[in-house]
Amino acid sequence: AAGVIQSPRHLIKEKRETATLKCYPIPRHDTVYWYQQGPGQDPQFLISFYEKMQSDKGSIPDRFSAQQFSDYHSELNMSSLELGDSALYFCASSLATNNSPLHFGNGTRLTVT
Amino acid sequence: GENVEQHPSTLSVQEGDSAVIKCTYSDSASNYFPWYKQELGKRPQLIIDIRSNVGEKKDQRIAVTLNKTAKHFSLHITETQPEDSAVYFCGKNAGNMLTFGGGTRLMVKP
Repeated sequence: AAGVIQSPRHLIKEKRETATLKCYPIPRHDTVYWYQQGPGQDPQFLISFYEKMQSDKGSIPDRFSAQQFSDYHSELNMSSLELGDSALYFCASSLATNNSPLHFGNGTRLTVT
Repeated sequence: GENVEQHPSTLSVQEGDSAVIKCTYSDSASNYFPWYKQELGKRPQLIIDIRSNVGEKKDQRIAVTLNKTAKHFSLHITETQPEDSAVYFCGKNAGNMLTFGGGTRLMVKP
């Protein structure tokens, strides 16, 4: 079965640069979530979209923005990168029915040097 | 969303023994509680979930119990195997958002 696709798998950037992470949800899933996971930490919710509109907002810095496009894929844009932004970034998708499970992509490992 | 507390943070068991991980929460509105397994550098994978209208759910060696009155739920793994070694996260919904506990690193010693 098709899973959540994230690209790139790995990304190395320097401080103050920008990065764009992409996510393609499972077909027919209408909700996309972004999570940030630092080393040895639990995934921290950043932001979610339902039917291309922002749904919930978590601990997403102002330097980050995200959107969901007409084909339901989503992009996380990160500017003025800091060393502390180095982490695994997961996208997950689900159906917006009550209590539908989240399915995670394989993540993008961002390293800021 | 509100926090969910998870204990223990690390758990070491002998192969064949049982493992229990517990989570507590305070948001009375939460009604969905999934458990995810995450191997090093890989994505979290759903292993079992429970909804608030059910007190217990089993899937082979894995079971989850929910006490909605006391606001805690637990993951039980029986007959543990080395491949069960991973980090386990409990989760709960807060609206359409899912928040996670701090994780439990389970080590199953052969």
